[in-house]
Amino acid sequence: DVKVTQSSRYLVKRTGEKVFLECVQDMDHENMFWYRQDPGLGLRLIYFSYDVKMKEKGDIPEGYSVSREKKERFSLILESASTNQTSMYLCASSLSGQSHGDTIYFGEGSWLTVV
Amino acid sequence: AQKITQTQPGMFVQEKEAVTLDCTYDTSDQSYGLFWYKQPSSGEMIFLIYQGSYDEQNATEGRYSLNFQKARKSANLVISASQLGDSAMYFCAMREWRGQNFVFGPGTRLSVLP
Repeated sequence: DVKVTQSSRYLVKRTGEKVFLECVQDMDHENMFWYRQDPGLGLRLIYFSYDVKMKEKGDIPEGYSVSREKKERFSLILESASTNQTSMYLCASSLSGQSHGDTIYFGEGSWLTVV
Repeated sequence: AQKITQTQPGMFVQEKEAVTLDCTYDTSDQSYGLFWYKQPSSGEMIFLIYQGSYDEQNATEGRYSLNFQKARKSANLVISASQLGDSAMYFCAMREWRGQNFVFGPGTRLSVLP
């Protein structure tokens, strides 16, 4: 079974803090994603990476950065956390888009509260 | 513009009855994939079913089936014989041929009543 592991399930951080959300997948997937989920808005893509050290902005990249130094690990960084970044963050991975039938696999989510 | 539309923010269904969750999509690609995911209150996203744009038959997976109407660009999820454990958020998603990304709809919250 594919496993996507997010390092922190629940975090509470202060405004202005630097926050790291870590994600590891064990299926040698080329693609990794960070989504943000808010009620009524569904999942919105923050960044995705299709290879080591490669990244592309998604729909809402402002206030976030990412790092992919190894194929299995994709980190989301909030340089200076703000209260409007309080949300659930979902990491995911998939095979590269040779077949659009390859599904995406999610981690359990990280609930971040910024106070 | 919204690529995936789910017009039902919330739905109720009686246990053991069937329910249809609506999804319409927008793409100019001829080749694409459509997916449904379930998200229980615990937060994890569970893959339910997949339909390819060139598949002539509607996809089925156990109690789940996908009512695919390509001309109408709709991909509704049908859950037969609802169970209390089906209460969750349900997301429709699309992966276009040209993209690596998955685009998600806003979701429908299904509540199964005993």
